[in-house]
Amino acid sequence: ETGVTQTPRHLVMGMTNKKSLKCEQHLGHNAMYWYKQSAKKPLELMFVYNFKEQTENNSVPSRFSPECPNSSHLFLHLHTLQPEDSALYLCASSQDRASGSYEQYFGPGTRLTVT
Amino acid sequence: TQLLEQSPQFLSIQEGENLTVYCNSSSVFSSLQWYRQEPGEGPVLLVTVVTGGEVKKLKRLTFQFGDARKDSSLHITAAQPGDTGLYLCAGRGAQKLVFGQGTRLTINP
Repeated sequence: ETGVTQTPRHLVMGMTNKKSLKCEQHLGHNAMYWYKQSAKKPLELMFVYNFKEQTENNSVPSRFSPECPNSSHLFLHLHTLQPEDSALYLCASSQDRASGSYEQYFGPGTRLTVT
Repeated sequence: TQLLEQSPQFLSIQEGENLTVYCNSSSVFSSLQWYRQEPGEGPVLLVTVVTGGEVKKLKRLTFQFGDARKDSSLHITAAQPGDTGLYLCAGRGAQKLVFGQGTRLTINP
């Protein structure tokens, strides 16, 4: 595997379900990100991890819970979501926040539908 | 709050035509990136421009960073159906990337 991978690619869940999104990067990067992409809106940054430490949480509701066990893996745990949470969830990585290189490499995304 | 406005939001042209899309802001960015996103995939980085007035070329794509580092343009020469996609600009702001809403480009054969 190369680059940034995400699983699953598609997910349909009810509002009472609990599910997790997984992201893995094979680029040797130290920063990882979760973004939400909705129709007609700019990419919304949700969470940032740098060297496994969460450095940013952009006022994301607590029904989204990130986890970063190491620099290569990032999870987004979902519970009691709302229909308006339906979107494409993108994971990205970059070298690290301190290097100044903000060039980010994205995974293919998970298309989430909340019913 | 730093914002990036892209125009046009939608563009549909015939194969072989030229086009320019724009990315504008009232804020200064230390660098600006362009990404292309195809359906069902994540954005792919095309180029990063850093210096005011900088011009970079990637085959038929020409990227320019404004002198004041507040705006950028992407010009495509002799567009091909493979250029179809969502083009996103992203400016490096304070501690994070700020994305525009994108230009959805369709090239018709």
